[in-house]
Amino acid sequence: SQQGEEDPQALSIQEGENATMNCSYKTSINNLQWYRQNSGRGLVHLILIRSNEREKHSGRLRVTLDTSKKSSSLLITASRAADTASYFCALGGRDDKIIFGKGTRLHILP
Amino acid sequence: GAGVSQSPRYKVAKRGQDVALRCDPISGHVSLFWYQQALGQGPEFLTYFQNEAQLDKSGLPSDRFFAERPEGSVSTLKIQRTQQEDSAVYLCASSPRVGTLNQPQHFGDGTRLSIL
Repeated sequence: SQQGEEDPQALSIQEGENATMNCSYKTSINNLQWYRQNSGRGLVHLILIRSNEREKHSGRLRVTLDTSKKSSSLLITASRAADTASYFCALGGRDDKIIFGKGTRLHILP
Repeated sequence: GAGVSQSPRYKVAKRGQDVALRCDPISGHVSLFWYQQALGQGPEFLTYFQNEAQLDKSGLPSDRFFAERPEGSVSTLKIQRTQQEDSAVYLCASSPRVGTLNQPQHFGDGTRLSIL
């Protein structure tokens, strides 16, 4: 299956701490994307990293990609209550679809 | 300022009824995608349109599912003779260019479908 697998499935941390989520996959990819989904809402795109890139930053977000290990990580620094959401990695291959994982549910404790 | 708009936000139907779900993509976006999301799961691909052409419908679960985008903008996902396993959130997404290569998708808030 081309589906990515996020790890952990759920994560609870104190506000202000850093949160790290991982995504592993089995097939070759053109790009990997991370999305956030708040409860009852649609997905919001966070970062897209291409297969020839190793690291990208956007504000408090840092994404790494290791194609040799077929894995990616999303780091959220200095977490806030508003970061409470589900986070999904999505794999972009050669065809016209992206495949989402099952997600990591992040809960930021006040 | 328009993002992707989906209607209705909630739909309750009795088993066996037909339903129609609407998606208004961002104006000018070429690509449109439909996904099905079960509770606690990630979105699963249903179908992809490039303008009015349905280029990939490999994710549609059965021939009871039908999608169209006749003028290359608004899209409708129709489910005939609904069954309880059709209960899910149906998400629509659009993106400005062809395909998925190196471009993000913009999602609507979905339609939550409940089949009684």
